[in-house]
Amino acid sequence: DAGITQSPRYKITETGRQVTLMCHQTWSHSYMFWYRQDLGHGLRLIYYSAAADITDKGEVPDGYVVSRSKTENFPLTLESATRSQTSVYFCASSDATGSTEAFFGQGTRLTVV
Amino acid sequence: GNSVTQMEGPVTLSEEAFLTINCTYTATGYPSLFWYVQYPGEGLQLLLKATKADDKGSNKGFEATYRKETTSFHLEKGSVQVSDSAVYFCALSRTGGSYIPTFGRGTSLIVHP
Repeated sequence: DAGITQSPRYKITETGRQVTLMCHQTWSHSYMFWYRQDLGHGLRLIYYSAAADITDKGEVPDGYVVSRSKTENFPLTLESATRSQTSVYFCASSDATGSTEAFFGQGTRLTVV
Repeated sequence: GNSVTQMEGPVTLSEEAFLTINCTYTATGYPSLFWYVQYPGEGLQLLLKATKADDKGSNKGFEATYRKETTSFHLEKGSVQVSDSAVYFCALSRTGGSYIPTFGRGTSLIVHP
């Protein structure tokens, strides 16, 4: 299916565990983004990527790692999950041409217990 | 840096009422402007956009005009429906060589029958 997909949709993990959230897009968009959404904070950018093998920190990168070996995939890893990382995570993609609108995945609701 | 300011919510209206959600921005150059909508349990999706001054974006009865002189992009709808209940995000992108979207905090709209 065309679009941007995230997996899993829901995840419960324990404090200290490593967890990876997956993101896949089918448009070959150059840019990909990871956001977290928390009440009272809106959307906060964690990491972004301008192209394969090019990643950079956003507003709240601590405790997260990303990679982008292929244009279509942009996984987000929590190296040692903490309760403060309980959130809804959204992946998005956009192109650097045209109006550059962002396309969002359905989100992953992560709970760290 | 770039920033987007939108009115705090929630905005509570009766069905068929007129809606305005204010949005102002600060950016270098001439950004593209967007309104996204997020329905419960879903990711953000583009509602409308405008790419240059005086452009009017419209979709599903919603409208917004790119006002460069007041750096604003206010969202309006003449007659809201219960199904319009959602969170609305104003955003900008493609400015100063950056393609990273900047989002407002979001405004929750609740429409009562």
